[in-house]
Amino acid sequence: RKEVEQDPGPFNVPEGATVAFNCTYSNSASQSFFWYRQDCRKEPKLLMSVYSSGNEDGRFTAQLNRASQYISLLIRDSKLSDSATYLCVVSGYSTLTFGKGTMLLVSP
Amino acid sequence: DADVTQTPRNRITKTGKRIMLECSQTKGHDRMYWYRQDPGLGLRLIYYSFDVKDINKGEISDGYSVSRQAQAKFSLSLESAIPNQTALYFCATSAGGRDYEQYFGPGTRLTVT
Repeated sequence: RKEVEQDPGPFNVPEGATVAFNCTYSNSASQSFFWYRQDCRKEPKLLMSVYSSGNEDGRFTAQLNRASQYISLLIRDSKLSDSATYLCVVSGYSTLTFGKGTMLLVSP
Repeated sequence: DADVTQTPRNRITKTGKRIMLECSQTKGHDRMYWYRQDPGLGLRLIYYSFDVKDINKGEISDGYSVSRQAQAKFSLSLESAIPNQTALYFCATSAGGRDYEQYFGPGTRLTVT
C-alpha cells in the first residue's frame, strides 16, 4: 500500500465549480499534513496546512480525519488560475512524503 | 533573484558519465533536500541534510551521492548515470522546526541516453 494515495485525476471542471480532492495515508504515526500546489513544469509550493479542526483560506478548505486517515481539499468557485496539480503531503520525522498528485483543469 | 537556485536547468548526458547537480540557497535555512520526480511516481526523497555535518539517505539513495559544501550549497552526484535516472530533480530547503514548509528550486531536467 502506498504511503499517500490520491484521486488519480485529472479533474476537468468549469469556472465557478466546486471541486474536492481526497487523500489517504497509511502511517497512523504521521504528525502533520499539508497540501502543496505544483503548476505545470514548475516547482511545488506550499498551499496550506491541514488540521483536524479544519482550515480555511479564502476559497480553499482543508480537512483532516485522523481516525480514517483521510485528508481532503475543497476548492470553491474555481478560477482558471487554479489549474495545477495538487499534492497531498504527510510529515513524519522531519521529512515529507508526497502523494502523486491530482491534476485540476479549470476551463472557461 | 530566486531564493533557491539549481544548475544546470537542463542536461543531457550519456550512460556511464558522472554528473553533478548543484543547489544554492539564500534563505539562510539549515535543512536541504534532493528529490526526483517521475511521471506517475510523484516526488521521492533522495538525500537530505540538516546541517553541514549531517547527511541522511532518503527513500531512493542508491546510485546517488551528495555533498554539503556549505550551509547554502548542496550538490547531488550521479557517479555513473543510467537511463532510469532520467527525471526532474528538485532541491528544497526548510528552516529547522518548520520542515513542512519546504522551498523548492526550479528543478533540473536530466536525460540520460
